[in-house]
Amino acid sequence: QIQLVQSGPELKKPGESLKISCKASGYTFTDYAMQWVKQAPGKGLQYMGWINTQTGKPTYADDFKERFVFSLETSASTAYLQINNLKNEDTATYFCARGSSDYWGQGVMVTVSS
Amino acid sequence: IQMTQSPSLLSASVGDRVTLSCKAGQNINNYLAWYQQKLGEAPKLLIYNANSLQTGIPSRFSGSGSGTDYTLTISSLQPEDVATYFCQQYNSWTTFGGGTKLELK
Repeated sequence: QIQLVQSGPELKKPGESLKISCKASGYTFTDYAMQWVKQAPGKGLQYMGWINTQTGKPTYADDFKERFVFSLETSASTAYLQINNLKNEDTATYFCARGSSDYWGQGVMVTVSS
Repeated sequence: IQMTQSPSLLSASVGDRVTLSCKAGQNINNYLAWYQQKLGEAPKLLIYNANSLQTGIPSRFSGSGSGTDYTLTISSLQPEDVATYFCQQYNSWTTFGGGTKLELK
């Protein structure tokens, strides 16, 4: 069955970096783009962008062009979200979702606190 | 494109017909999806292209609308439908609405 399994929760300090993984199974990884969505505590969904799994080309929403990096390890059917120079406002749950939005990861809760 | 959902909170009884609204800031040509998100879970795709039911979603869910105004209808509310519902446009880039929280009366 199709699954997107994300890495575990993270607790980080401001200024640190982190890398979240999203491992796909049950389908051909390169047939679909991978999207990333942010949800701050108690808030709505914010679209971060997507990565073309055939070319590796990322496309970022305006709010996520500076410290955020989408990448792939195609041989492992895995997508990554890296956040550099973490800020308190990065505290949120981060979801990956297949390009057709029909399958989502379980989300990774990231807490940034000094 | 700004997406505005109303109401932000809706209380209804089991068996009620429930209607949720989503208004776009400009014509989105039916490029609209609806998601259900239960507490602590990932969003689940219910409807795409404004009125197409995603595989495996109960037929009590339906979507309608055109232009700037769209509706998600639950024909007979069930206890397991308690959740927050989000709309998303994908006509121009993509944006989500703020959500409607649906609770049981």
